[in-house]
Amino acid sequence: NAGVTQTPKFQVLKTGQSMTLQCAQDMNHNSMYWYRQDPGMGLRLIYYSASEGTTDKGEVPNGYNVSRLNKREFSLRLESAAPSQTSVYFCASTPRAGSWGTDTQYFGPGTRLTVL
Amino acid sequence: GENVEQHPSTLSVQEGDSAVIKCTYSDSASNYFPWYKQELGKRPQLIIDIRSNVGEKKDQRIAVTLNKTAKHFSLHITETQPEDSAVYFCADEGSARQLTFGSGTQLTVLP
Repeated sequence: NAGVTQTPKFQVLKTGQSMTLQCAQDMNHNSMYWYRQDPGMGLRLIYYSASEGTTDKGEVPNGYNVSRLNKREFSLRLESAAPSQTSVYFCASTPRAGSWGTDTQYFGPGTRLTVL
Repeated sequence: GENVEQHPSTLSVQEGDSAVIKCTYSDSASNYFPWYKQELGKRPQLIIDIRSNVGEKKDQRIAVTLNKTAKHFSLHITETQPEDSAVYFCADEGSARQLTFGSGTQLTVLP
């Protein structure tokens, strides 16, 4: 069991470039999440997917799009990267289908993104 | 929940002493309160959680207490060890059914 995996680990982009961050989990979890982590601000939710085929906005969705490709995979896309998107991005998953009482969130190792 | 405030932002303790980190929340519908530990350069990992129907939960040297009336919950680490040094995040799940995280506490255990 690899748990939650993310690619790439590091990425440097120029302003205006696009890229997709990949996330996959092999735990048969229903819900998946994308967070960004900035110094002194904790983790902020970008988008989440309560089940295959559904996605919803979180606290900071502007500038991002997501795709729940199948039950295992949840990707995050930056269409036109901006320096304000420099951050560490974490993917997470839980077994629950978005109902009350969220189970433990299992995090991936993170992607450190720098936008110049 | 809507907003979670976490204090202190940094905390230094001597090895063997206790450490306490406090969080307050605003969403009265919040019913799930996890605590995560994040070591430098690593992913956050759950260390303990509590649901709104209990007031306290313990797991060896760590414990969490919840006061729903006052809308605050705390993490207690006893007999601290150098390997406890990390950033700790509290979170709550409220009516939006999403986790809202506090801003984190950098705990340093001095040998």
